[in-house]
Amino acid sequence: AQTVTQSQPEMSVQEAETVTLSCTYDTSESDYYLFWYKQPPSRQMILVIRQEAYKQQNATENRFSVNFQKAAKSFSLKISDSQLGDAAMYFCALIRKKSSGDKLTFGTGTRLAVRP
Amino acid sequence: NAGVTQTPKFQVLKTGQSMTLQCAQDMNHNSMYWYRQDPGMGLRLIYYSASEGTTDKGEVPNGYNVSRLNKREFSLRLESAAPSQTSVYFCASSGWGSSYNEQFFGPGTRLTVL
Repeated sequence: AQTVTQSQPEMSVQEAETVTLSCTYDTSESDYYLFWYKQPPSRQMILVIRQEAYKQQNATENRFSVNFQKAAKSFSLKISDSQLGDAAMYFCALIRKKSSGDKLTFGTGTRLAVRP
Repeated sequence: NAGVTQTPKFQVLKTGQSMTLQCAQDMNHNSMYWYRQDPGMGLRLIYYSASEGTTDKGEVPNGYNVSRLNKREFSLRLESAAPSQTSVYFCASSGWGSSYNEQFFGPGTRLTVL
């Protein structure tokens, strides 16, 4: 069984500052993918960033970057230069690496507020 | 290219009523999924279809049925709705060999069962 844990139900950051959202996971698989999804009030699930477990280099997408620690099973998301539009629920998720038809395992989410 | 579409966006049912949530994708994906999202619990898989003609149970299948009508469409049916099925429902799809097994999500359906 796979589990994903997000221990911060809510976080707050000042506009233009940096914030880090935490995620830990557990899996018996050796190869898998990790994701951060953003869910704004519109409910749409938006993929923010993704990481393959076999790649040691941390993924980066513009202002978003991850700190992937495979041995510690940790996958945190760093948002730099926070903007008002970053306010949303953020979900960490895990999927096994297989051809298709496997489920995403989600954490319970972190609600991020951005203070102007 | 609409991606993943879901109908309806909102629905209110009375206990015991039935309804079908519709989902369609135009990305030629083989796999489709139904998740539900409840407050404080993230998204949980209800049913999925790895390929056309197959369906399998996920974590929380009780009270639901699914039909993979063709490659594009995957419907979720509530035969006798219960208040515990009040939730937001998401359909998703993914393709063979897609990068990172990425799943693409529809906009969701907010269902309230009174």
